[in-house]
Amino acid sequence: AQTVTQSQPEMSVQEAETVTLSCTYDTSESNYYLFWYKQPPSRQMILVIRQEAYKQQNATENRFSVNFQKAAKSFSLKISDSQLGDTAMYFCAFVQGAQKLVFGQGTRLTINP
Amino acid sequence: DTAVSQTPKYLVTQMGNDKSIKCEQNLGHDTMYWYKQDSKKFLKIMFSYNNKELIINETVPNRFSPKSPDKAHLNLHINSLELGDSAVYFCASSLHYQGLPEKLFFGSGTQLSVL
Repeated sequence: AQTVTQSQPEMSVQEAETVTLSCTYDTSESNYYLFWYKQPPSRQMILVIRQEAYKQQNATENRFSVNFQKAAKSFSLKISDSQLGDTAMYFCAFVQGAQKLVFGQGTRLTINP
Repeated sequence: DTAVSQTPKYLVTQMGNDKSIKCEQNLGHDTMYWYKQDSKKFLKIMFSYNNKELIINETVPNRFSPKSPDKAHLNLHINSLELGDSAVYFCASSLHYQGLPEKLFFGSGTQLSVL
């Protein structure tokens, strides 16, 4: 069974700091995608970043970047220069041949002024 | 224009009632999904349709029946609602590349409260 584990239920940092959210997953496949989704209090699920497993280069989107360690099955999200608007639940997700996105338990991130 | 729209946003109803949630996407995607988010924020897939065909049916009570009249619409009908059905239900859609969903676009969710 596919599993995705986020070991940090909650995190809190000061505005402008850098924060890293952890995620590990379990698979025996070689072709898959990994995602980070953000869910602010508005409830909307917003795609933050995506990584293709066959790409060695880590994905980046502005202040968001990932550290993809395929052998270790680790996919952490780094948020640089954090902003108040980054306050949200963050979900790591994984998809392979079964074609269904499997989500981790989520990390509640709070950015303090 | 909203890419994935679902209605209603909020649904409050009594135990035992039957209710429906509607979902439409204007992205031209072939695959649509229903996800359930429980009170602990855990998201779990319920159903997936590809071009009106059911391709994923997780362990969901048969009181839940999805219907896809065309590839742009995926509705969810729930019979005999129970207290445990209270949750947020998300519709989503995706394109596929090399057999995998490239990314999911989500609707804004329907918060169902069963009293």
